[in-house]
Amino acid sequence: DAGVTQSPTHLIKTRGQHVTLRCSPISGHKSVSWYQQVLGQGPQFIFQYYEKEERGRGNFPDRFSARQFPNYSSELNVNALLLGDSALYLCASSFPSGGLETQYFGPGTRLLVL
Amino acid sequence: AQKVTQAQTEISVVEKEDVTLDCVYETRDTTYYLFWYKQPPSGELVFLIRRNSFDEQNEISGRYSWNFQKSTSSFNFTITASQVVDSAVYFCALSVNTNAGKSTFGDGTTLTVKP
Repeated sequence: DAGVTQSPTHLIKTRGQHVTLRCSPISGHKSVSWYQQVLGQGPQFIFQYYEKEERGRGNFPDRFSARQFPNYSSELNVNALLLGDSALYLCASSFPSGGLETQYFGPGTRLLVL
Repeated sequence: AQKVTQAQTEISVVEKEDVTLDCVYETRDTTYYLFWYKQPPSGELVFLIRRNSFDEQNEISGRYSWNFQKSTSSFNFTITASQVVDSAVYFCALSVNTNAGKSTFGDGTTLTVKP
């Protein structure tokens, strides 16, 4: 079975531009989470979506937005890019079953803002 | 708010040595879950183990074992007989209730296993 996939794998943008990152969850998984991982730090939670509804939002500015589609894939959008947005963006999917969920992560998108 | 602290930034061992990675967490929730992930140079986080707050029984899974102590808010992870392929960054993470999708991560411990 295919794991979580993300596209693109690498991206270079300049300050002020906009970027869209894409994530496809594992088949059957309805929850998608986005994390930002700055070099040398642990992942920081940005958003979680479940059944197309926002389930949680981390401490990120309104320049960050996301959505989930009927097929449970997801997009993360970042407007007005800053140098500090340079990071590895990780997507994770899980299958809420009423019990403990386990997240499965994709390979990430490496974003460099110049 | 939740917080996870991994005091060890880097650890270097020689192959076949045992190594323990430390994790200390903070939360006011009574129901929570703790995880360990491995991140190889490729960047993809790989789930290793998990434990809930109601079960302090320590377990062994292959070369992995963990020591969960609520009294000290610690969730340490041990690799027995380390191998070069174990070289990676290891993250401890905490989630409240059953929602692993909003996990709080520590800053990781870089483990280098030398041949």
